[in-house]
Amino acid sequence: GAVVSQHPSWVICKSGTSVKIECRSLDFQATTMFWYRQFPKQSLMLMATSNEGSKATYEQGVEKDKFLINHASLTLSTLTVTSAHPEDSSFYICSARVMGRAYNEQFFGPGTRLTVL
Amino acid sequence: KNEVEQSPQNLTAQEGEFITINCSYSVGISALHWLQQHPGGGIVSLFMLSSGKKKHGRLIATINIQEKHSSLHITASHPRDSAVYICAVRLTGNQFYFGTGTSLTVIP
Repeated sequence: GAVVSQHPSWVICKSGTSVKIECRSLDFQATTMFWYRQFPKQSLMLMATSNEGSKATYEQGVEKDKFLINHASLTLSTLTVTSAHPEDSSFYICSARVMGRAYNEQFFGPGTRLTVL
Repeated sequence: KNEVEQSPQNLTAQEGEFITINCSYSVGISALHWLQQHPGGGIVSLFMLSSGKKKHGRLIATINIQEKHSSLHITASHPRDSAVYICAVRLTGNQFYFGTGTSLTVIP
């Protein structure tokens, strides 16, 4: 099946710094990528939908100035957590939707664990 | 109200046992995913189903669209199968609903 990678797989940073997480579709082109957040023992929650070449669509309650999303190409989307605080510590997961096939599929990345000290 | 319900929430099994995890949903879907999340958080996509049955190694996933129900089976369970298994349904378009997961522990 199609592969989605995330980098880094984990990151620890100091409060106030910015952290960038990359999501790549390795063997397919993705028209759309999605960013999810998961708190311990909870379901994945959709943060935003990212379409290549256009602005991301954020879910209600997600601060677009805090979570900057850039979808510069059909294989790469980035999520930047700006001025991170301890409450931003979470597990961030991306998924990518396949373009150009007879059916739509969505494949999940392995996730990035962010810890803000 | 959860659009996706999984059962059981927690499951402990002896090594070698046959395991079933169930997922029921209340919305019309275009596809259902089974995901495996390891203790460190990493997610692996196990299956994507829109009908019928799929098998990969010791894992089998089935879906009944009419009954809005899917099952994930693990045959000859092993301690390395210990993880959280998440059912996710995709509506037409981009929207996903996720179950809260089933935490599986397989004891040697």
